[in-house]
Amino acid sequence: DTAVSQTPKYLVTQMGNDKSIKCEQNLGHDTMYWYKQDSKKFLKIMFSYNNKELIINETVPNRFSPKSPDKAHLNLHINSLELGDSAVYFCASSSGYNSPLHFGNGTRLTVT
Amino acid sequence: QKEVEQDPGPLSVPEGAIVSLNCTYSNSAFQYFMWYRQYSRKGPELLMYTYSSGNKEDGRFTAQVDKSSKYISLFIRDSQPSDSATYLCAMIYTGFQKLVFGTGTRLLVSP
Repeated sequence: DTAVSQTPKYLVTQMGNDKSIKCEQNLGHDTMYWYKQDSKKFLKIMFSYNNKELIINETVPNRFSPKSPDKAHLNLHINSLELGDSAVYFCASSSGYNSPLHFGNGTRLTVT
Repeated sequence: QKEVEQDPGPLSVPEGAIVSLNCTYSNSAFQYFMWYRQYSRKGPELLMYTYSSGNKEDGRFTAQVDKSSKYISLFIRDSQPSDSATYLCAMIYTGFQKLVFGTGTRLLVSP
């Protein structure tokens, strides 16, 4: 039973398009995150939500808009996709900020 | 200078070797230290979680934290080809809401 699941696994799209990535966790955690991992494997936080409230917005372009309909879900919508958005996007959840993160398996976004 | 430094590798070792993976950090406030393992095309999975200085052992894995030197290590005994992955260190302190990751070290264990 997958703890943190995100869909789709792969996303190939053209510049200028709008796309969404969905994430769900069944761990009962209050805090959820979006991370971006670049080609050099560096994981950089984008957003965090605690109980549906935005806590961290890490200077991400406003083309990226997270939405948390409830504390088990955190979706990411990206408008006007650019080549530089190509990366792997990971959703994660935790029971608190000092607690370990549980990651999904990522969405590999390729913008052509 | 990055907050957390980690040699990207790759680190290549033969099966059965003892592996030492390390991270240094600059912020002495960090209190909680984690090691994640990431297989290709998968999400990072937690291996070890420690608080403050000292050692923690779990099977073939030992995590070591030296806060005075701002240095953490992960030792893998009797390494196996299945240990081939990227290992990421991460750390945080109370009141800081962002887990800070190292860049990861790629480990290759050959049969």
